Amino acid sequence: DTEVTQTPKHLVMGMTNKKSLKCEQHMGHRAMYWYKQKAKKPPELMFVYSYEKLSINESVPSRFSPECPNSSLLNLHLHALQPEDSALYLCASSQEVTGDQPQHFGDGTRLSIL
Amino acid sequence: AQKVTQAQTEISVVEKEDVTLDCVYETRDTTYYLFWYKQPPSGELVFLIRRNSFDEQNEISGRYSWNFQKSTSSFNFTITASQVVDSAVYFCALRRGSTLGRLYFGRGTQLTVWP
Repeated sequence: DTEVTQTPKHLVMGMTNKKSLKCEQHMGHRAMYWYKQKAKKPPELMFVYSYEKLSINESVPSRFSPECPNSSLLNLHLHALQPEDSALYLCASSQEVTGDQPQHFGDGTRLSIL
Repeated sequence: AQKVTQAQTEISVVEKEDVTLDCVYETRDTTYYLFWYKQPPSGELVFLIRRNSFDEQNEISGRYSWNFQKSTSSFNFTITASQVVDSAVYFCALRRGSTLGRLYFGRGTQLTVWP
């Protein structure tokens, strides 16, 4: 079982809906990440949080809004998404944001935009 | 610029065959870290191994082995006696020693093991 838990596993939403993706880890990691992955492509980094502060925003459109309420939780708020935003959204965590510690990934949320 | 190349897009083998997945990387950094991840159809990326640029020792873990060669900028992954459960997409990734969190992924190799 993965130590990074993502909910929901699947999400279908219309372009006018507002929804949130949730990610939780209890490994004491201080860095958390959101990735977007399209079919047959590698994951693309979206956001990096370090000690609950946003460290990296990879020029992600504002319709994606991340939030890190505490060191164990990471949310991704979605609003007015486009069909091209349909993808697998992966959350990951690591001990620190630098160094050789690997990132541990969740199972992802498969998002479909109608 | 950092770049990871996995030239093999898809590989098919029959169970019990050995298979090697190639990974070539580019970086000008002296400190960097290399990773292999496995992504089964369920979607989760499973961490397999980490290597830092100062440690060229090869590693074996059960049926898995890794060959890190700085002279050719390669970090290849071999599965011995492959099994159907090895079927997945395998990603090689590089992280710079100085950069916050970013993983540079190769495009992945889809491995299919037939019974």
